[in-house]
Amino acid sequence: EAQVTQNPRYLITVTGKKLTVTCSQNMNHEYMSWYRQDPGLGLRQIYYSMNVEVTDKGDVPEGYKVSRKEKRNFPLILESPSPNQTSLYFCASSYYRDSYEQYFGPGTRLTVT
Amino acid sequence: GNSVTQMEGPVTLSEEAFLTINCTYTATGYPSLFWYVQYPGEGLQLLLKATKADDKGSNKGFEATYRKETTSFHLEKGSVQVSDSAVYFCALIRMDSSYKLIFGSGTRLLVRP
Repeated sequence: EAQVTQNPRYLITVTGKKLTVTCSQNMNHEYMSWYRQDPGLGLRQIYYSMNVEVTDKGDVPEGYKVSRKEKRNFPLILESPSPNQTSLYFCASSYYRDSYEQYFGPGTRLTVT
Repeated sequence: GNSVTQMEGPVTLSEEAFLTINCTYTATGYPSLFWYVQYPGEGLQLLLKATKADDKGSNKGFEATYRKETTSFHLEKGSVQVSDSAVYFCALIRMDSSYKLIFGSGTRLLVRP
């Protein structure tokens, strides 16, 4: 089954404790992206990647890091989480040429206390 | 810059009622326009799209027409069902190197039996 998976689905952590949210897709998509969803703000892009070893900042990259060492994986790293990073996070992927038709993972709800 | 504005929700309707969710956009050039749907506890799914002026996107009984003169892409359905209860996001794609989807803030639809 074609899908985007994220882990964990739920995470409660404390300020400053490094964490990684994993994202994996099995569709051989070149394009991958991370979004955060906050009430009243819709989804905002954090980082995106056009292909392996190619990443770039989205609209709200501060406090986040990403890497793309393999085509299927695109982890999101919070080196020192803060309460303002409490949010619902989505990973998405698509073929490069059809990047509007993005396939979304189920989401990771992160709470930073 | 590019932006998408949606009507605030929630929109509450009885089953079989007519649905309209308004969406207007601001963009340079001629973006492609989309509606994504988010069912409870899930990620976003592409519902329909339109890639040029006067195009009508349709899927699962939903329709939206790309109106360049009014910069609008309103979502309509003639007879909603309880299973249509979800959050609906209007979006456009920025056709530069980021191929980023720009989302509206989302409109929650609640359909009562």
